[in-house]
Amino acid sequence: DTGVSQDPRHKITKRGQNVTFRCDPISEHNRLYWYRQTLGQGPEFLTYFQNEAQLEKSRLLSDRFSAERPKGSFSTLEIQRTEQGDSAMYLCASSLAGSSQGDGFGGYTFGSGTRLTVV
Amino acid sequence: DAKTTQPPSMDCAEGRAANLPCNHSTISGNEYVYWYRQIHSQGPQYIIHGLKNNETNEMASLIITEDRKSSTLILPHATLRDTAVYYCIVRVAGYSTLTFGKGTMLLVSP
Repeated sequence: DTGVSQDPRHKITKRGQNVTFRCDPISEHNRLYWYRQTLGQGPEFLTYFQNEAQLEKSRLLSDRFSAERPKGSFSTLEIQRTEQGDSAMYLCASSLAGSSQGDGFGGYTFGSGTRLTVV
Repeated sequence: DAKTTQPPSMDCAEGRAANLPCNHSTISGNEYVYWYRQIHSQGPQYIIHGLKNNETNEMASLIITEDRKSSTLILPHATLRDTAVYYCIVRVAGYSTLTFGKGTMLLVSP
């Protein structure tokens, strides 16, 4: 397993277009997270899944954003009617719930992200 | 989650120990301290975490004060590849998401 994969690495789109990103987590990880990071800031939580169930969504996830994880494996994040303010790095991470690290939560493994530029 | 405070930047000479402080004075008894780092153009990387005891792994050591209000991440022999933004995060046990601040930009110089 080569870790968390994200595709594409870079995306340039015109304002108003829809974009979709894909994340392939580590195969045995049952939790998958989406974060967004703008320049000079730390990553901000968007949403997470345990298996195919979307368990939490941030208030940052407006109705133009939708995430799916249909079979509990890969996930997609779609942004409809993109705005310039959506320009950011979109990071995916995965983890295994109930790991051996004492608190039932192991460290996340992040992908390298998809950099979105809306022009 | 409790708020953390970190210096915005630090410098370290290659081969020396890098000691990165973090203040989390409002931490609760069931909150863990996590450290991640982010090298330019990559996703964050998990380093270490702890509750109240000091922890060590192959990457770093985590020293947590007895009152748990602050902690220090120690990279014992910093290399140029350790140049990154280091994030200190406090998280409630059993709660899955992480809240990142702006972190500390560590610059390791020759």
